[in-house]
Amino acid sequence: GNSVTQMEGPVTLSEEAFLTINCTYTATGYPSLFWYVQYPGEGLQLLLKATKADDKGSNKGFEATYRKETTSFHLEKGSVQVSDSAVYFCALSNTGNQFYFGTGTSLTVIP
Amino acid sequence: DARVTQTPRHKVTEMGQEVTMRCQPILGHNTVFWYRQTMMQGLELLAYFRNRAPLDDSGMPKDRFSAEMPDATLATLKIQPSEPRDSAVYFCASGPPNVGYEQYFGPGTRLTVT
Repeated sequence: GNSVTQMEGPVTLSEEAFLTINCTYTATGYPSLFWYVQYPGEGLQLLLKATKADDKGSNKGFEATYRKETTSFHLEKGSVQVSDSAVYFCALSNTGNQFYFGTGTSLTVIP
Repeated sequence: DARVTQTPRHKVTEMGQEVTMRCQPILGHNTVFWYRQTMMQGLELLAYFRNRAPLDDSGMPKDRFSAEMPDATLATLKIQPSEPRDSAVYFCASGPPNVGYEQYFGPGTRLTVT
């Protein structure tokens, strides 16, 4: 079956610290992988995506590389800002375009 | 900038009342998803439509919930009768037909059942 497991939160970092949020997946076939971000009181927004193995998605300083050998899609950012405080969801999409979301990881960045 | 719209944004109702939530997917998208988000359960898929046909509603309590797409520009989620445990944020999302494309989420309807 299809599923996503992501790092438990909450995560608290100081501004300018390095961020890693781990995500691993189980899937049949060749899924596409996504990171979504949810700011307080809002819906989920796409942060980045990768559609095939070894692709790197990037946006707003965030990066994630689709690693088929380790079935992972870890989210990284070199220097976080207070404005990055949000909940981050890893997701995969497989045949039929149904999405499978992780449980979300809450990030708080303190000045 | 195309967006998914949802109405109402907030709804407070009493237990036993009917609640209807509406969603307008992005024009040209043929998949529509309803999710429910709570602190305890996280994000749960309730129902999934493609080309207006329901493909998966296994996540939805059948006795009180119903989801429909009367036309390509409107999706509805109804709860009758509502219960306090239905209090949550309900999101609609839409997506294009191709695999590999992202879902676009609406802003959500925050439902409180007292």
